[in-house]
Amino acid sequence: DGGITQSPKYLFRKEGQNVTLSCEQNLNHDAMYWYRQDPGQGLRLIYYSQIVNDFQKGDIAEGYSVSREKKESFPLTVTSAQKNPTAFYLCASSIGEPSTDTQYFGPGTRLTVL
Amino acid sequence: AQSVTQLDSHVSVSEGTPVLLRCNYSSSYSPSLFWYVQHPNKGLQLLLKYTSAATLVKGINGFEAEFKKSETSFHLTKPSAHMSDAAEYFCVVSDSRGGADGLTFGKGTHLIIQP
Repeated sequence: DGGITQSPKYLFRKEGQNVTLSCEQNLNHDAMYWYRQDPGQGLRLIYYSQIVNDFQKGDIAEGYSVSREKKESFPLTVTSAQKNPTAFYLCASSIGEPSTDTQYFGPGTRLTVL
Repeated sequence: AQSVTQLDSHVSVSEGTPVLLRCNYSSSYSPSLFWYVQHPNKGLQLLLKYTSAATLVKGINGFEAEFKKSETSFHLTKPSAHMSDAAEYFCVVSDSRGGADGLTFGKGTHLIIQP
């Protein structure tokens, strides 16, 4: 089956720890994205990548970092600099141009800071 | 700058009755518009999209939306609600500049289906 997988589904972090969220796709899509979702709010863009070895900051990149070493993978690291990291994190991909192409979403990772 | 407003945070309808989820947008460019659905603790799934072709767009699961430029609206409708339609719905506007930072998500409308 083609699709996007995210792991883990639930993640708990202690204050001051970095954690990495995994996102893998086998859709052969060039573009990949990370969004953060908080209750009662729409999705906010953290980072996106349109090709391998290239990525751009979104609206709320502070405290987060990414890499895009392979087309299939776009991991997100939540660093200790992110002051309020508890949220639902969604990864997505699209064939190309995000302004018109459909985005395909993974099932999400719920991060809780203890 | 562009923006999108989903006029209702919650909508409750009875099973078998029509559904209307309202979305208004503003954009300085020719926009593309999307509706996505999210079931609890899941990712989003595309229902339909408008990208400057026909103004009446048909999507999956019996949903459709009409792009009305004069009213800057893109309301989502379905003639008859089903229990499985209970979910969160997001309207998304994208301007023609391109790039992921050109997408703006609405805050969502929670659709409740009463038996």
